[in-house]
Amino acid sequence: DAKTTQPNSMESNEEEPVHLPCNHSTISGTDYIHWYRQLPSQGPEYVIHGLTSNVNNRMASLAIAEDRKSSTLILHRATLRDAAVYYCILNAGGTSYGKLTFGQGTILTVHP
Amino acid sequence: DTEVTQTPKHLVMGMTNKKSLKCEQHMGHRAMYWYKQKAKKPPELMFVYSYEKLSINESVPSRFSPECPNSSLLNLHLHALQPEDSALYLCASSQDIWSVGITEAFFGQGTRLTVV
Repeated sequence: DAKTTQPNSMESNEEEPVHLPCNHSTISGTDYIHWYRQLPSQGPEYVIHGLTSNVNNRMASLAIAEDRKSSTLILHRATLRDAAVYYCILNAGGTSYGKLTFGQGTILTVHP
Repeated sequence: DTEVTQTPKHLVMGMTNKKSLKCEQHMGHRAMYWYKQKAKKPPELMFVYSYEKLSINESVPSRFSPECPNSSLLNLHLHALQPEDSALYLCASSQDIWSVGITEAFFGQGTRLTVV
């Protein structure tokens, strides 16, 4: 399975944009890039996913490098409620059917 | 309703006890998952059910016994656990196992298990 590499932790100030990077140099052509986050004392929640093109939704934007070896989750205006562990996950079909495998994630701290 | 409901929220059990964790979803999802999460670690996949049949067992010890009695319900039966099995147990569901790469999975809030 392709692996992801994320910084252990990042800090941001409230109402500023946050760019969370993820490296996935061994990504295959069929791997989708998913982002989930886990707020304190809660289960993970879906944030966004994409394959090749940049994606936007109400929570965040996902910027995918042209070679797909890296991606960046963008929170446009961080709030205190965005403090969480953010996981970048690769998922595809085939032998990975059903497997959503979490890496170490990035702990995001948001300062007031 | 986009909720995955897990009960109980907290459970303390002795090493000789038998207990069960319950997970329920009413989104019509046909894939359900059990994850184990130790403190400050990412969730680790344990089991995957697809259309009520066990599809993936990630070499989990037999003291953990999953069951999927119907498409909405997933149980995890616990027996003769060890203190190192203390963790947050998370249930998740998705449309099916083939589309989990292109659609979202929904997670419950978890059951905090302590084995004494």
